[in-house]
Amino acid sequence: DTGVSQDPRHKITKRGQNVTFRCDPISEHNRLYWYRQTLGQGPEFLTYFQNEAQLEKSRLLSDRFSAERPKGSFSTLEIQRTEQGDSAMYLCASSFTGLAASDTQYFGPGTRLTVL
Amino acid sequence: AQKVTQAQTEISVVEKEDVTLDCVYETRDTTYYLFWYKQPPSGELVFLIRRNSFDEQNEISGRYSWNFQKSTSSFNFTITASQVVDSAVYFCALSLTGNQFYFGTGTSLTVIP
Repeated sequence: DTGVSQDPRHKITKRGQNVTFRCDPISEHNRLYWYRQTLGQGPEFLTYFQNEAQLEKSRLLSDRFSAERPKGSFSTLEIQRTEQGDSAMYLCASSFTGLAASDTQYFGPGTRLTVL
Repeated sequence: AQKVTQAQTEISVVEKEDVTLDCVYETRDTTYYLFWYKQPPSGELVFLIRRNSFDEQNEISGRYSWNFQKSTSSFNFTITASQVVDSAVYFCALSLTGNQFYFGTGTSLTVIP
């Protein structure tokens, strides 16, 4: 049983460039989440999907951030016109929603973004 | 508003000592879930435990135990007979029915051989 995978693991970009990260959830999981983690802090929730529907996006950091999950499987997180403050670890998690309202989230290894 | 506080930023213990990591949460919701995750140096968050707000039973899993007390809004985590492999950052998290997770700032545990 494979876990959550993320690609790339590391990304270095210049300020002003666009970047896109991919997340592949655990195969039977219907919910997918994106978080940002900066040094010395806990993960900060950004957005989540149930199947292909984006149910919460108000906590995306700015309109430069967007996420998609077009077929309800993998998801992408895009940051446009990157800024140095965007440098962080971007984490993806997935869960299966059953009878419990809040099921356990399983996390991927993260994508570390460095904006020069 | 929801909030999770992990007041201990860093803890160091000598191998085989017991250690307790504190977690205090704030929420006005009556239904919520509490979690602990471990983040080893490799970076991947590893799920340890989930507790719902209606279940105050303490839980033991091997060397790990959790003490959930609604009266003090705390969900503390104890490692008995610590080992070097326990060295990691440990996060406590709160989730409401909307599935948004609120993480604490983490406690960095170092177990010295």
